[in-house]
Amino acid sequence: GAVVSQHPSWVICKSGTSVKIECRSLDFQATTMFWYRQFPKQSLMLMATSNEGSKATYEQGVEKDKFLINHASLTLSTLTVTSAHPEDSSFYICSARPPSLPSGRYNEQFFGPGTRLTVL
Amino acid sequence: GDSVTQMEGPVTLSEEAFLTINCTYTATGYPSLFWYVQYPGEGLQLLLKATKADDKGSNKGFEATYRKETTSFHLEKGSVQVSDSAVYFCALSFRYQLIWGAGTKLIIKP
Repeated sequence: GAVVSQHPSWVICKSGTSVKIECRSLDFQATTMFWYRQFPKQSLMLMATSNEGSKATYEQGVEKDKFLINHASLTLSTLTVTSAHPEDSSFYICSARPPSLPSGRYNEQFFGPGTRLTVL
Repeated sequence: GDSVTQMEGPVTLSEEAFLTINCTYTATGYPSLFWYVQYPGEGLQLLLKATKADDKGSNKGFEATYRKETTSFHLEKGSVQVSDSAVYFCALSFRYQLIWGAGTKLIIKP
């Protein structure tokens, strides 16, 4: 259980275009989803936290207008990189958190496999 | 603020060697501590965790003990296998968010 998928797994796009990445929780409802960015040989950087039906909370330094996050249902969140540029090339990872977990597991997250974005 | 520091990689070992990957943290309060593993081409998976001081998390032969006095959560395995080759991340929880170490790439040679 607790499977999270991402689509696409990799994408190449031209500079100036927009790219949408989907994150789905397959066997549970995710009231909260997180979007991370992972640079080569570096740690995961939390970009934003999205709660179903409300606006995402962005971390400091993350451009809201560039990285649009929509969490329209309990099983789907999308990240749209608008007007992508080469510096946006990265590995984007989502994670999901169900509304309730057994005691001692309340802070667990379940991760998608990631999406490799390359902007030419 | 809260942070996690883990040893830089890559760490290269021969099969059946003993493994230690160091992880130290700074935190206010009493966080939970985690080790996640990322196998090539796969998503992050929770390897083990500990929720309070002196707790020992264990899974798949890996162990880590939550040491409050040294603010550490070092990952150990007595005999590594080629299949353990992956990137290992130490993390701590802050409310519902996770704060990550930089990751340590582990390479096991047959």
